[in-house]
Amino acid sequence: AQSVTQLGSHVSVSEGALVLLRCNYSSSVPPYLFWYVQYPNQGLQLLLKYTSAATLVKGINDFEAEFKKSETSFHLTKPSAHMSDAAEYFCAVSATGFQKLVFGTGTRLLVSP
Amino acid sequence: DAGVTQSPTHLIKTRGQQVTLRCSPKSGHDTVSWYQQALGQGPQFIFQYYEEEERQRGNFPDRFSGHQFPNYSSELNVNALLLGDSALYLCASSTDTAYGYTFGSGTRLTVV
Repeated sequence: AQSVTQLGSHVSVSEGALVLLRCNYSSSVPPYLFWYVQYPNQGLQLLLKYTSAATLVKGINDFEAEFKKSETSFHLTKPSAHMSDAAEYFCAVSATGFQKLVFGTGTRLLVSP
Repeated sequence: DAGVTQSPTHLIKTRGQQVTLRCSPKSGHDTVSWYQQALGQGPQFIFQYYEEEERQRGNFPDRFSGHQFPNYSSELNVNALLLGDSALYLCASSTDTAYGYTFGSGTRLTVV
């Protein structure tokens, strides 16, 4: 079985500051891991995905995440926050690339000027 | 290139009624999954359809049923609506050879 824990329901940063959103996973098989972003009243947009290739994954809009098996983590980072990054971020795990996604409860990113 | 299209965008129903939500997958995608997202929560997997068959199912009661058509579009049906069924229903499409899903913008269902 798979599960995801996202630490911190809300994260606040200043514009230009580092963004760090935490995700820890549990999986009985080698996981596939994803980060999605959701803007108000919209669906989910894929930011990046880990599929057992490189452990450092680069995504859209300068986001990246590092898969650390020893820590069962897949934290999302961005060097410099923009106001437009304010949204809800979800980490998700899957047993394979096309099986069901199991989502965390989400982290709301707030960006102040 | 059209992404995943869901209809309607918003819906208000009364307890006990039945509802049908519709989804057209992204061009080239043959697998459709449905998720329920309650307010303030992450999406929860309902079921997945592939080749017109339900391939996987989450922990949802039989009141939730679905269908996939030959053109890969899909419907989600919910019978005997409860207040707790109020949520954003998301459709996601994919292919068996790709990783990750493309999500639609969802249907906001309110049960009163």
